[in-house]
Formats: sequence, structure tokens, C-alpha cells
Amino acid sequence: AQSVTQLDSHVSVSEGTPVLLRCNYSSSYSPSLFWYVQHPNKGLQLLLKYTSAATLVKGINGFEAEFKKSETSFHLTKPSAHMSDAAEYFCVVSANQAGTALIFGKGTTLSVSS
Amino acid sequence: NAGVMQNPRHLVRRRGQEARLRCSPMKGHSHVYWYRQLPEEGLKFMVYLQKENIIDESGMPKERFSAEFPKEGPSILRIQQVVRGDSAAYFCASSPRTSGSNEQFFGPGTRLTVL
Repeated sequence: AQSVTQLDSHVSVSEGTPVLLRCNYSSSYSPSLFWYVQHPNKGLQLLLKYTSAATLVKGINGFEAEFKKSETSFHLTKPSAHMSDAAEYFCVVSANQAGTALIFGKGTTLSVSS
Repeated sequence: NAGVMQNPRHLVRRRGQEARLRCSPMKGHSHVYWYRQLPEEGLKFMVYLQKENIIDESGMPKERFSAEFPKEGPSILRIQQVVRGDSAAYFCASSPRTSGSNEQFFGPGTRLTVL
């Protein structure tokens, strides 16, 4: 069965410092993995997705994630945090190979201080 | 190209009333998905529909909840006889087709409050 675990419920960083949001997955087949961001009272926006091509995936707003099969991880990183990055981040795995449902992690709240 | 549209954005109902949530997918998208987000939780899959067909309703509660996606018009998520536990944000997503790597585009959500 597919599942994702976000290892931190809350991450706090200072503006200009690196961001690391951790995600581990479990999958019985080669997974499709996504990171979505949700700003307060807004919908979800796709940051990036992994679809078995390059293991280092670049997304929007300077975010990237690396798929590591040996560690079953898909951590999200950004070299330098910006105040506007403060939001809820969800690691997501496709529930089945047909992609007809997504399984969301519980989310990581990113706080950015000046 | 307009994104996924959901209305209303906020809905208040009293216990026992009915709630109807509407979702218009992106232009060219024929697959619609509904998710529910309870407070402090991630989104949970409810149902997947194509035009006039429910394909996967494995995440739908067995009672009071139903969904449709008619040939014409938006997809509707209907909750009968609402209870306080139904208070949540309900998100609709759409995609042009299904594949494991296919992105689902999400709407802004409907926040349902049951008094």
C-alpha cells in the first residue's frame, strides 16, 4: 500500500537560510511523488513532481526535491527562504498506478522569520 | 484558461440541513476528484468521477454523502443531514486524463461550517 510520512509537523527558519522539509514514502511500485503548497485559506498549488525521470526535480519558486529510492525519501529543499514561503507543505504520493487518487501527508507548516 | 472553480467558497449550515458543493473543472478536463481536509489534517480522497460516471468512491462515507458529474454542468458533492463532524474544507481537483504522473489541479476549496 502507498503512504507518505512527513517527519516534521512544523519547521521554522530565518529569511535567507536553507529550507529542508522531510518526507518518506512507502510504495509497492515505482511511485509518482508530488509536493503541494497551501497558503492560508487558499487552494493547493503544485510545487514539483517526480515521475521516474531525473531523480533531482526542480520546481517553482526555487524549490527542488531529490528522489532517493534507497532511503525511500523525497525531501523538499530551497537554498534561501523568503518570507512568502511561509505556508503549509504537503508531500503526496499517487495511490495507484492509474493516478486516480492522491495520498497526502499530514503537512509541514513552514514559518519564516525576518 | 480559468482554473478549477468551486462555489460557494464558504457555506454555513445548521445540523440536519443539506449542503451542496459545486465544482467546475478546468477547460478540457474530464476527470474530477473530491477531497476533504479536516482541521490539522492532510487532504483525504473521497471520490473520482468522469462525466456521468462514478469511477472510484472508496473514500466516500457510506451514508449521507453523494457525488455526481453530469453531462452538462458542474460536479456536485451533496451532503444530506449535515452534522458538526462534516465541518471541513472540501477541495475539488481536475485532470485531463489519468496516469500515475498526472498532476491534479486543485480549486480554492469550499469551507463548510455546520452549526
